[in-house]
Amino acid sequence: GAVVSQHPSRVICKSGTSVKIECRSLDFQATTMFWYRQFPKKSLMLMATSNEGSKATYEQGVEKDKFLINHASLTLSTLTVTSAHPEDSSFYICSGGTGAPSNYGYTFGSGTRLTVV
Amino acid sequence: SQQGEEDPQALSIQEGENATMNCSYKTSINNLQWYRQNSGRGLVHLILIRSNEREKHSGRLRVTLDTSKKSSSLLITASRAADTASYFCSKDGGSQGNLIFGKGTKLSVKP
Repeated sequence: GAVVSQHPSRVICKSGTSVKIECRSLDFQATTMFWYRQFPKKSLMLMATSNEGSKATYEQGVEKDKFLINHASLTLSTLTVTSAHPEDSSFYICSGGTGAPSNYGYTFGSGTRLTVV
Repeated sequence: SQQGEEDPQALSIQEGENATMNCSYKTSINNLQWYRQNSGRGLVHLILIRSNEREKHSGRLRVTLDTSKKSSSLLITASRAADTASYFCSKDGGSQGNLIFGKGTKLSVKP
């Protein structure tokens, strides 16, 4: 089945530094990549949607200059958390799609646990 | 908010028992999906049920959908300790074609 590979799975960084999270669709072309954020014991909240070759669409309240998204190819989308602060500590998950979910739904990456110290 | 609601928020059962989780939503859907998330991991797709379907099975999983009540249920039969995870329902209809997730049910199956 379709696989989205997300790296790193865990990262600890110092305040003020930037962190890049990568999501690669391994056996399909993800024309769309959704980036979610999940707080402890909470649901997934959509942060932004990226489409290959175009600018990402950010949800209300999400700082586009802080969370940089690049979707340069049909198989790679990246999320860069710039000038990270402790409040950015969270679980970030990407989900790749080809436009509409099949009977197998959207494919999710395994998530990245970001801890900013 | 379009976000769905699952209940119960937490469920603890013994191995071998059945687990039922419910999901309610507010706006119309084309499809509803159930996902599983092990602690600190990504989401695994379980079942997608379309709005014109009432019931769907996959192994020990059974999903029902009642569009008149805007609700769905996930039944796990003969539960195992390995079923311990959080379960989320999600609906289509996000403004970007994204899924909208409920708050999840945390299931604990004790051996």
